[in-house]
Amino acid sequence: SQTIHQWPATLVQPVGSPLSLECTVEGTSNPNLYWYRQAAGRGLQLLFYSVGIGQISSEVPQNLSASRPQDRQFILSSKKLLLSDSGFYLCAWSVNYGYTFGSGTRLTVV
Amino acid sequence: AQSVSQHNHHVILSEAASLELGCNYSYGGTVNLFWYVQYPGQHLQLLLKYFSGDPLVKGIKGFEAEFIKSKFSFNLRKPSVQWSDTAEYFCAVNANSGYSTLTFGKGTMLLVSP
Repeated sequence: SQTIHQWPATLVQPVGSPLSLECTVEGTSNPNLYWYRQAAGRGLQLLFYSVGIGQISSEVPQNLSASRPQDRQFILSSKKLLLSDSGFYLCAWSVNYGYTFGSGTRLTVV
Repeated sequence: AQSVSQHNHHVILSEAASLELGCNYSYGGTVNLFWYVQYPGQHLQLLLKYFSGDPLVKGIKGFEAEFIKSKFSFNLRKPSVQWSDTAEYFCAVNANSGYSTLTFGKGTMLLVSP
């Protein structure tokens, strides 16, 4: 079966610290992968998507970056976190228009 | 690019009341439409989806949605809500042409009082 793993579930980081959130997918090959952020009152905003290894598209300019070192691994990073990076980050994958979401990471930047 | 508008940010209902959550999208071509639900502390889950065919789509837990192409709408309905329907509901759309990302509305928080 196809599953998606995302960790950690919660994270509290100081301003200026680096960030690395990891997402891995099992049970499928060559999925499209996504990072979304859900900020309070703003719904789900697409940050990055990837259609293959090393292929990253950014939807909005920000303090974050993404990488896809392996087919089923998608990493969200930041060199220096800002307060405004706080939010709920969701990884997702899709094949043929069906989307599956991870359980999310609650990031609080303090 | 497509966009999605959800009219109500917060809805409060009593148990057994009927529910309708509005969703309108903007895109000039053919679309796929989705409703997702996020229960407190849980994953985002697919409630129902429309790709083609019968515009009245039935999903899990008694929910349904109707695609009205002329109105660019995909409203979610349930005839009688339960306390367990308390959750945040997201409408989403992607273009049914080539590669397209999923665009979400801002969500509607539904609170059902017992």
